[in-house]
Amino acid sequence: EAEVAQSPRYKITEKSQAVAFWCDPISGHATLYWYRQILGQGPELLVQFQDESVVDDSQLPKDRFSAERLKGVDSTLKIQPAELGDSAMYLCASSLDPKGEEAFFGQGTRLTVV
Amino acid sequence: DAKTTQPPSMDCAEGRAANLPCNHSTISGNEYVYWYRQIHSQGPQYIIHGLKNNETNEMASLIITEDRKSSTLILPHATLRDTAVYYCIVRPNTNAGKSTFGDGTTLTVKP
Repeated sequence: EAEVAQSPRYKITEKSQAVAFWCDPISGHATLYWYRQILGQGPELLVQFQDESVVDDSQLPKDRFSAERLKGVDSTLKIQPAELGDSAMYLCASSLDPKGEEAFFGQGTRLTVV
Repeated sequence: DAKTTQPPSMDCAEGRAANLPCNHSTISGNEYVYWYRQIHSQGPQYIIHGLKNNETNEMASLIITEDRKSSTLILPHATLRDTAVYYCIVRPNTNAGKSTFGDGTTLTVKP
């Protein structure tokens, strides 16, 4: 069964350092989402891509976070500089298109900022 | 998206049916009820969704009240592997991955 791939699974970084997460969606899925999940809470959407274009980044802290999907396939989420409050699970999801009925999530990257 | 209310936690005996409630009294006519679950240290997994009719698939059944203000997810024969956080989400079916997740219900299936 096709899966959304994310790497790394775990990342520890010092505050003020840069960190990046990678996501490879299910083949053929045009829509890609990045979510952040703080421990004990539900996921919150950070950014949505349609192919290579950002269609919603209203919840992305743009002073330190950036996301790209240059060729409309895999995607990278970057934080620079990392802060202690960025410690969370970063989840990537994809769907066939925006009107698809379900999204498929990867296993996430657990970030710890020390 | 309409707001949902779920109990923070529930227990269920292994082999018994697990009935997870969700209130969504402000649901709009074009909004569907979606259920996802998240097993520890994994990403959320889609379970089922519906508009107004009851739905069933290989994982679960979804019962939506006639006024659509509440729903129940039923796992007919819960197993230990069903222990997870279950999220009830209400949204239009026009953007598959743009969901507003609440805090969900932590279901613990006990032997």
